[in-house]
Amino acid sequence: KAGVTQTPRYLIKTRGQQVTLSCSPISGHRSVSWYQQTPGQGLQFLFEYFSETQRNKGNFPGRFSGRQFSNSRSEMNVSTLELGDSALYLCASSPGTTNEQFFGPGTRLTVL
Amino acid sequence: GDSVTQMEGPVTLSEEAFLTINCTYTATGYPSLFWYVQYPGEGLQLLLKATKADDKGSNKGFEATYRKETTSFHLEKGSVQVSDSAVYFCALSDLKSSASKIIFGSGTRLSIRP
Repeated sequence: KAGVTQTPRYLIKTRGQQVTLSCSPISGHRSVSWYQQTPGQGLQFLFEYFSETQRNKGNFPGRFSGRQFSNSRSEMNVSTLELGDSALYLCASSPGTTNEQFFGPGTRLTVL
Repeated sequence: GDSVTQMEGPVTLSEEAFLTINCTYTATGYPSLFWYVQYPGEGLQLLLKATKADDKGSNKGFEATYRKETTSFHLEKGSVQVSDSAVYFCALSDLKSSASKIIFGSGTRLSIRP
C-alpha cells in the first residue's frame, strides 16, 4: 500500500506571495491532518479534514487554510507569505476512527 | 491544556550503549502515547505506541511503558546502533479532546558514535 505523498517536496517563495501544498493520503484513509515544523516552535497542529469537512483546527491565523476533495486528497494554502512561514509542512493521514497517523515526507517551504 | 515534555538534546552515545529518553505528559483525559522518529530529510515515522496505562509499546528493540502514576512514557533501547541516529518525538493524542490532533514534545536529537 502506497504511503502518504506530498508535493512539491521543496518550494521557494517571496514575501507576500501565496502557496498551495498538496497531500495524497493512504488509500482508504479519510482523515488528513497538517502540521508545521520549525526549529523554534517544533511541531504544531494546523488543521484536520475528514470527509471534506474541517474537523479540528489549531491556533494559526486565517492566512492558513485548507480543503479536502472527495478522493480524500487535501490541499493547504498560505496567503500573504511571511518570513516566519518558512518551515517543513507535514501531512498525516488516518482512517479517521483511530488516533494513529501516518506522515508524509513533508514540503520544505522557504520564504525569502 | 495537554502537553508533552521530553528531555533536551542532543544526546550522544557510543554504539551498543543503553539509551533512555525521558518523556512526561500532562493530559486531562486518557491519552494514547506515541514515540515518533524523524531521520534526516524525512517525515515522521511511528516507532511505537501505547493506548492505556501499563501498556508496553515495542518496535525495533525500542520499548516504552505507559506509566499513569508518574505520567511518563520513557523510551529505552538496550543497545543502540549508528543507524538509530535521528530525532525522537514523544507525543500524545487524547480521544476525549480530539482523536485527530497529536501534541508533540520538542524532540530529542540522538547521535550514535561508531
